[in-house]
Amino acid sequence: QKEVEQDPGPLSVPEGAIVSLNCTYSNSAFQYFMWYRQYSRKGPELLMYTYSSGNKEDGRFTAQVDKSSKYISLFIRDSQPSDSATYLCASGTGFQKLVFGTGTRLLVSP
Amino acid sequence: GAGVSQSPSNKVTEKGKDVELRCDPISGHTALYWYRQSLGQGLEFLIYFQGNSAPDKSGLPSDRFSAERTGGSVSTLTIQRTQQEDSAVYLCASSPRRAEETQYFGPGTRLLVL
Repeated sequence: QKEVEQDPGPLSVPEGAIVSLNCTYSNSAFQYFMWYRQYSRKGPELLMYTYSSGNKEDGRFTAQVDKSSKYISLFIRDSQPSDSATYLCASGTGFQKLVFGTGTRLLVSP
Repeated sequence: GAGVSQSPSNKVTEKGKDVELRCDPISGHTALYWYRQSLGQGLEFLIYFQGNSAPDKSGLPSDRFSAERTGGSVSTLTIQRTQQEDSAVYLCASSPRRAEETQYFGPGTRLLVL
């Protein structure tokens, strides 16, 4: 079993929909939870990160961590075609050795 | 200047050959990472450099892989005696000491071993 599991998708939604992207992790020592966005043939870029449990909001994006169930979520409100990308979750005990999920490919159609 | 740069952007090589991949981090960034991204495997940590400290090589998959960072800046990842399973995208990232949570990734080098 991988330490961080993520459904590869693709997840297809119409423009304006609320998107829910999810990961699970198995290592209870993980304290840092990151979401990256990766466009085709580009490197990942950090969207948000949270430390320990709780929610964090940034514009249309909300990151949520539930340590009791080891569940990580990213919500995208009012999704746009420009949000079409692969979303990677990552977790770790520190920033230096993050364990990444395989990524979920999101397609937002106009 | 600009972001993290990597060269070459694409590399095709024959099994058994050695390859060198280069990473130019953002100027002033003290931390540098190498990752490997294979289809369906996600990003796999390879090695981490921080300033003048000894690198964390715990992610290197075999002794055919090595990396160095000269002068605290440019880094080279070397793969000796390449195998077909080495085919992947090799990504480099750097981060500043005061904001280690933010890794800035380069575009990657796509390696194909025939």
